[in-house]
Amino acid sequence: QSVLTQPPSASGTPGQRVTISCSGSSSNIGSNYVHWYQQLPGTAPKLLIYRSDQRPSGVPDRFSGSKSGTSASLAISGLRSEDEADYYCAVWDDSLSGLYVFGTGTKVTAL
Amino acid sequence: QEQLVQSGAEVKKPGASVRVSCEASGYSFTGYDIHWVRQAPGQGLEWMGWINPKSGDTNYAQKFQGRVTMTRDTSIKTSYMELSRLRSDDTAVYYCARDFYDSNSYTGGAFDVWGQGTMVIVSS
Repeated sequence: QSVLTQPPSASGTPGQRVTISCSGSSSNIGSNYVHWYQQLPGTAPKLLIYRSDQRPSGVPDRFSGSKSGTSASLAISGLRSEDEADYYCAVWDDSLSGLYVFGTGTKVTAL
Repeated sequence: QEQLVQSGAEVKKPGASVRVSCEASGYSFTGYDIHWVRQAPGQGLEWMGWINPKSGDTNYAQKFQGRVTMTRDTSIKTSYMELSRLRSDDTAVYYCARDFYDSNSYTGGAFDVWGQGTMVIVSS
């Protein structure tokens, strides 16, 4: 079982804002950067957000990240059909012998 | 361009071992740690460990210690992940991924380049 909890699903109509939460603890989110990945069906994950709120080059500014305490969030503003994918948060955990952990994953659907 | 290319799909019997390769191109192979991540069918992502291609240093997730070995061959810019004593629940897609550095600054565990994945099926 992952130590990072995400809602299993999230949805919105095209153009809406969708937010995904990632809940952890003081040993992971509370003390390290959070990263977010997007995984389209049948493909490798893609880095979407790093250092909790930074976007790699080429990632649309519709995607934004934030962190507060032991939780983090990913927001998609202006949802598009091509944003339908699985989203994972990830972070190093200081309490588990150098373990890197992924969240449980959230499937985003554009209604 | 910067990329990681993995070896092809494997079918193994329970108890056997599998070795997956990950060839780097378009960047300095020894400058970035390589991580291995797996994904069972219909499941989430699971981190297995990393290797420093320059030193050969490794760190494995506790779950896989004793069964996984990560190595590299700098002459051919290739990393390897070998998993032994395979079980049916090791059936998964295995990915290699590279640590991301933003303007030469470590990003704290973001992976920016991923291999295409290697399907490993364990079945009798």
